[in-house]
Amino acid sequence: DVKVTQSSRYLVKRTGEKVFLECVQDMDHENMFWYRQDPGLGLRLIYFSYDVKMKEKGDIPEGYSVSREKKERFSLILESASTNQTSMYLCASSWEGEHGELFFGEGSRLTVL
Amino acid sequence: SQKIEQNSEALNIQEGKTATLTCNYTNYSPAYLQWYRQDPGRGPVFLLLIRENEKEKRKERLKVTFDTTLKQSLFHITASQPADSATYLCALDPVLNSGYSTLTFGKGTMLLVSP
Repeated sequence: DVKVTQSSRYLVKRTGEKVFLECVQDMDHENMFWYRQDPGLGLRLIYFSYDVKMKEKGDIPEGYSVSREKKERFSLILESASTNQTSMYLCASSWEGEHGELFFGEGSRLTVL
Repeated sequence: SQKIEQNSEALNIQEGKTATLTCNYTNYSPAYLQWYRQDPGRGPVFLLLIRENEKEKRKERLKVTFDTTLKQSLFHITASQPADSATYLCALDPVLNSGYSTLTFGKGTMLLVSP
């Protein structure tokens, strides 16, 4: 089975801290994505990557950056966490091509105090 | 502006009945549409994909229709069971300004199946 693993299920950070959210997939997928999910707003795309060292902005990239140094790992970075970044963060991956289904991780619930 | 609309009110049905969920969209011309299931506190799980040239797709008790004229997809669960209770998300593939195609999700509809 495809497995997408997010490093932390729950995190609590303070305003201004640098936060790393890690995501690893074990199926050699080319495509990886970071979404955040908030009540009433649904899933929104932050960043995505279609290849190693490649990244593209999604709908809401402000306040975030990403890193993809290896094919299996896609990291989301909050340079200076703010309270409005309190959310559920979901990583997903898919095979090459535009129509593949997304395989999601279990999510990382981040609280910024 | 582009919109994907799913009924925000929960759908309550009795076990054994058919559940029908709706996904409407505006200002999109998607090549395909996907449906996902999400349980509380978990990531979404893929269920079905239907392409623009397909009218209907089935998988076990699930059926999806796709009407590009009405800009609507219907998701049916026949013989529903309490275990089908979850939030169901539809997703489309708009092409971003960068030229890449990624999935955009609706906000989901919660289904509650009572015994």
